[in-house]
Amino acid sequence: NAGVMQNPRHLVRRRGQEARLRCSPMKGHSHVYWYRQLPEEGLKFMVYLQKENIIDESGMPKERFSAEFPKEGPSILRIQQVVRGDSAAYFCASSPPRTGKETQYFGPGTRLLVL
Amino acid sequence: GIQVEQSPPDLILQEGANSTLRCNFSDSVNNLQWFHQNPWGQLINLFYIPSGTKQNGRLSATTVATERYSLLYISSSQTTDSGVYFCAVDRDSGGYQKVTFGIGTKLQVIP
Repeated sequence: NAGVMQNPRHLVRRRGQEARLRCSPMKGHSHVYWYRQLPEEGLKFMVYLQKENIIDESGMPKERFSAEFPKEGPSILRIQQVVRGDSAAYFCASSPPRTGKETQYFGPGTRLLVL
Repeated sequence: GIQVEQSPPDLILQEGANSTLRCNFSDSVNNLQWFHQNPWGQLINLFYIPSGTKQNGRLSATTVATERYSLLYISSSQTTDSGVYFCAVDRDSGGYQKVTFGIGTKLQVIP
């Protein structure tokens, strides 16, 4: 059973470019969460999505950041016009349909470096 | 929101030594997890422990939910134990589990 997959694992962008981060949840999981880890800090919740729906985006910066989880294909975290402060590790987690207190399974992360 | 505090923030151990890491949380939680982030940045789930005690090899964890803390014990530490240990708690937030991480304990095990 493949775990949560993220790609690319490393991404380098220049200021002003766009960054697209992809997350494929575990098989059978329909819930996806994105977290950001700034250098020397813990992970901070950004957004929670179900298929075709954003459920909670309270941790997402209001500008330049967007997320989607289409009916087919991976979840995408998109950062437009990146700035140096966006440099961080971005982790995706997935969980199965809600039946109780499920744990979230984390992917290996995408490390974004903005030059 | 809920506060998650971990201590100590940094820890250096001689190989073979034992240690205890602590996680305090400010409100009731549904679940608690301990993670190890290795030097390559990978997050590895160690324990899913909303209450009680669990053991896995040289690691064990205890959560006392009523007193809002959890402990992670590392015995006979090895250099491969180095990395950052995170405590993360789940709270029910409008029908889903919202996870809040502590800032971690950075462990260095020296030979």
